[in-house]
Amino acid sequence: ETGVTQSPTHLIKTRGQQVTLRCSSQSGHNTVSWYQQALGQGPQFIFQYYREEENGRGNFPPRFSGLQFPNYSSELNVNALELDDSALYLCASEREVNTGELFFGEGSRLTVL
Amino acid sequence: AQKVTQAQTEISVVEKEDVTLDCVYETRDTTYYLFWYKQPPSGELVFLIRRNSFDEQNEISGRYSWNFQKSTSSFNFTITASQVVDSAVYFCALSDNSGSARQLTFGSGTQLTVLP
Repeated sequence: ETGVTQSPTHLIKTRGQQVTLRCSSQSGHNTVSWYQQALGQGPQFIFQYYREEENGRGNFPPRFSGLQFPNYSSELNVNALELDDSALYLCASEREVNTGELFFGEGSRLTVL
Repeated sequence: AQKVTQAQTEISVVEKEDVTLDCVYETRDTTYYLFWYKQPPSGELVFLIRRNSFDEQNEISGRYSWNFQKSTSSFNFTITASQVVDSAVYFCALSDNSGSARQLTFGSGTQLTVLP
């Protein structure tokens, strides 16, 4: 177990709706990253938060947004859901920023109908 | 731009066989990191190793070993005497300085099945 927990584990939404995914980091980890993993593919970097500020962003549109809270937990929000947003969303924490040694949660499986 | 290629989509071996997972990467940076992660059916990726671009020494950890060759831009992973519990998807990943954060670029993964 990595100590990173995500909720919900599974959810189904319809196109155009909004979704919020949550992540609780491993204790003492101040950096959290979110990745999207489509079926049969490797994870793709969405963004990273370090000490409550966005620290970098991948090639995702602005309707993907996030938050990090003072206790280092995090949220990923996706607005105006599209069918292609169906994927496993992975949260990963790091003890310190930019080590690359990520501790992943088990993910939230989002299905958009 | 950085890129990671794992040409082997699926590999199937019988228990106790050795198996090598291939990884080829592309980057313009001279300073970068390479990683291997394991993804069991539960979904969470498990960190296996990080190697920086200045350290070409091969590494062995129990039944796992890694062969880093800058000349061929490869970072291959070998499991010796494979076990059924090794069945998982294995991802190779690269991190360089091209992004604002040290993001990982993953390959598409290799599904390893170890048969009893």
